[in-house]
Amino acid sequence: QSVLTQPPSASGTPGQRVTISCSGSSSNIGRNYVYWYQQFPGAAPKLLIYRNNQRPSGVPDRFSGSKSGTSASLAISGLRSEDEADYYCAAWDDILSDSAMFGGGTHLTVL
Amino acid sequence: EVQLLESGGGLVQPGGSLRLSCAASGFTFNNYGMSWVRQAPGKGLEWVSIISGNGDNTYSPDSVKGRFTISRDNSKKILYLQMNSLGAEDTATYYCAKALSSGWPTLNFESWGQGTLVTVSS
Repeated sequence: QSVLTQPPSASGTPGQRVTISCSGSSSNIGRNYVYWYQQFPGAAPKLLIYRNNQRPSGVPDRFSGSKSGTSASLAISGLRSEDEADYYCAAWDDILSDSAMFGGGTHLTVL
Repeated sequence: EVQLLESGGGLVQPGGSLRLSCAASGFTFNNYGMSWVRQAPGKGLEWVSIISGNGDNTYSPDSVKGRFTISRDNSKKILYLQMNSLGAEDTATYYCAKALSSGWPTLNFESWGQGTLVTVSS
């Protein structure tokens, strides 16, 4: 069980705005950057958000990240069928042996 | 264009060893941190090892510490993962990844290889 807690699943309809949460603690999200990755079945992960809310070049602005206290969120607006994928948050933890960790992942279904 | 090509995966018996390689091209290799991330079949992602651009800084989680060693040859532009004392729990697809920017520590890995499968079984 991951220290970063994500809901195992989320869903939305095309055009809708969906948020995926990532809950941590003061030793990880509370004091470090949060990163978000997208992964399609059988493919390598893709960096969506870094440093809480920064998008790498090429990532649509439909994807946005935010952080508040010990939680972070990934928001996807204007949901599209091609957004159906697994989403993972990641962060360092300063107490657990300076661990790098992923959340357990959230499977997003576009209905 | 950034390219990362992993190799070295395969079937290994419990207790055995493997060395994974990741050949990099399309960028100034020694300027960027690199990492290995694994994914067991049907499971989530796990950071395995991370190394800074000059190789001076490394990270490994407790689950592999003392068994896995990350290294890099900047002259050859190759990232390595030496894996010893392998167990069934190490069965996974192993991805190498390049950091988005320089700096340490980092978890922003923007470019990924296609992965190499490691199966630990007798």
